[in-house]
Amino acid sequence: GAVVSQHPSRVICKSGTSVKIECRSLDFQATTMFWYRQFPKQSLMLMATSNEGSKATYEQGVEKDKFLINHASLTLSTLTVTSAHPEDSSFYICSASWSGVIADTQYFGPGTRLTVL
Amino acid sequence: AQTVTQSQPEMSVQEAETVTLSCTYDTSESDYYLFWYKQPPSRQMILVIRQEAYKQQNATENRFSVNFQKAAKSFSLKISDSQLGDAAMYFCAYRPPQGGSEKLVFGKGTKLTVNP
Repeated sequence: GAVVSQHPSRVICKSGTSVKIECRSLDFQATTMFWYRQFPKQSLMLMATSNEGSKATYEQGVEKDKFLINHASLTLSTLTVTSAHPEDSSFYICSASWSGVIADTQYFGPGTRLTVL
Repeated sequence: AQTVTQSQPEMSVQEAETVTLSCTYDTSESDYYLFWYKQPPSRQMILVIRQEAYKQQNATENRFSVNFQKAAKSFSLKISDSQLGDAAMYFCAYRPPQGGSEKLVFGKGTKLTVNP
């Protein structure tokens, strides 16, 4: 159990376009989802936390108008990178947790590699 | 603010041997959660083991076990009978108690190499 999927697994786009990444919890209802960014050979950097039906809470330094997060249902959260630029190229990972028996554990998706040309 | 320190950027072990990865953390809380995650070359983060701070018993999952020393704020991971598939980045993570922020605080990771 506790499977999280992400789509797409990799995407290449032109500078100035927008890209949407989906994160789905497949076998549980995720009350909270998290979006991370990971640079090569580094740890995960939390970008934002989202609760179903509420606005996302962004970490300091993360532009909320650039990284739009929507958590419309208990199984789906989306991250939209608006007007992407080469410096947005990175590995984006989502995770999900739920207010169940093991409410304190985050389960991670497989990640999305974004390349902006 | 809570911090997590992994003092070993890289470790190596021979196949079938045992290796211990170190993790220390800083917190003023008495109840919290600790995790070890594995990130193989596929970059999928996989939960290896979790520990609730209020439990004195060390968590174990098959070949993986932890040595949780609450007073010393230490949470090391022991991998027994190492296998080639254990080669990965290992991240130690701290989570505050329920009712507070659910954010995970990660260490910088330890790259484990398993030699055949």
